[in-house]
Amino acid sequence: GNSVTQMEGPVTLSEEAFLTINCTYTATGYPSLFWYVQYPGEGLQLLLKATKADDKGSNKGFEATYRKETTSFHLEKGSVQVSDSAVYFCALSDRGSQGNLIFGKGTKLSVKP
Amino acid sequence: GAVVSQHPSRVICKSGTSVKIECRSLDFQATTMFWYRQFPKQSLMLMATSNEGSKATYEQGVEKDKFLINHASLTLSTLTVTSAHPEDSSFYICGTNGETSTDTQYFGPGTRLTVL
Repeated sequence: GNSVTQMEGPVTLSEEAFLTINCTYTATGYPSLFWYVQYPGEGLQLLLKATKADDKGSNKGFEATYRKETTSFHLEKGSVQVSDSAVYFCALSDRGSQGNLIFGKGTKLSVKP
Repeated sequence: GAVVSQHPSRVICKSGTSVKIECRSLDFQATTMFWYRQFPKQSLMLMATSNEGSKATYEQGVEKDKFLINHASLTLSTLTVTSAHPEDSSFYICGTNGETSTDTQYFGPGTRLTVL
């Protein structure tokens, strides 16, 4: 079945450091791929998405490129801020199930000043 | 994006009681809503898919008689945890696809349930 594998955290970085959170997926067909962010005590917010191969999603300085050849959707940011501290979830849409999302386990990011 | 609200945001109840959680789509009509559960430091796990006007579809291992879902209108779905036990303590989140997209989900802020 479809699945998402994310690098395990926690990840601790200093402010202005470069961030990469790896995400790979297994899917039949051509799913859409997503990154969601969950700030402490809150629900999930869509961070960015890509719907087909080679698409690049971007938002708030974060980027991820849909790589079909490596089945990956790694999240990157050139310079993180303390306010980026959160849990990040990679997900894919399981189109065979009315649009249900399949999530990775999440990666907790802590950014220190 | 679509706006989804959940109520209550936090609830504490005694073991054996029932708790109802509401999920509302505020600016669009949601034919389908998804209910997820998130245990501490774990990912979201889909519990059930709620369809307006019909019975919900439950994932394997989720007791439909314990987690009652009602989706009586296009803007409201409810999850009732019946005869709650401490092991039901979790963070419950609803999600729905916006009107203009069939694959992007928008989530409510979640409900923290604590069963004593």
